[in-house]
Amino acid sequence: RKEVEQDPGPFNVPEGATVAFNCTYSNSASQSFFWYRQDCRKEPKLLMSVYSSGNEDGRFTAQLNRASQYISLLIRDSKLSDSATYLCVGYNFGNEKLTFGTGTRLTIIP
Amino acid sequence: GAGVSQSPSNKVTEKGKDVELRCDPISGHTALYWYRQSLGQGLEFLIYFQGNSAPDKSGLPSDRFSAERTGGSVSTLTIQRTQQEDSAVYLCASSLNPKELSSYEQYFGPGTRLTVT
Repeated sequence: RKEVEQDPGPFNVPEGATVAFNCTYSNSASQSFFWYRQDCRKEPKLLMSVYSSGNEDGRFTAQLNRASQYISLLIRDSKLSDSATYLCVGYNFGNEKLTFGTGTRLTIIP
Repeated sequence: GAGVSQSPSNKVTEKGKDVELRCDPISGHTALYWYRQSLGQGLEFLIYFQGNSAPDKSGLPSDRFSAERTGGSVSTLTIQRTQQEDSAVYLCASSLNPKELSSYEQYFGPGTRLTVT
């Protein structure tokens, strides 16, 4: 079983809709989490970090549930520019390593 | 300010040749990471530097892979006797202080796309 698991999608969502992704992790040593977005043939770009229960930045909300070992990302009022692959990432302060999920592909449809 | 830079952006090499990939982290960032991403795959951790030392080399796939970092800044990843399975995008990332909650985020460079023919 992978340490960080995501539904690969693709998610095809109409513009303006709300979309949510979930990510589960198996290693309880992961103490903090990130969402990165990665456009085709580009590097991952940091979207949000979440350490406590949640974090909100504009249209984006990330939530962490340690008891159930999952992290979610909610995108409200989706834009065409939100089309990308979203990577769920766990961080272990002990060994200072990131563990990446394989990503969820999102396409926003006009 | 300037982000993480990597060179070359693309490298095509023949099987059996050696290649060197370079990473310039964000100025002042103490930690530097190398990852590999094969086509359609997730990111695979290779090696991590804190300053000039590498406390974790566990991700290097074979002894053909080595990396060094000098002056707490620039890092080079060397692949000797390249094989076709080494073809991938090699990504470098840096963070200001991986032990602090306020400064542990990793920022990625644009990557080097390596093709071994």
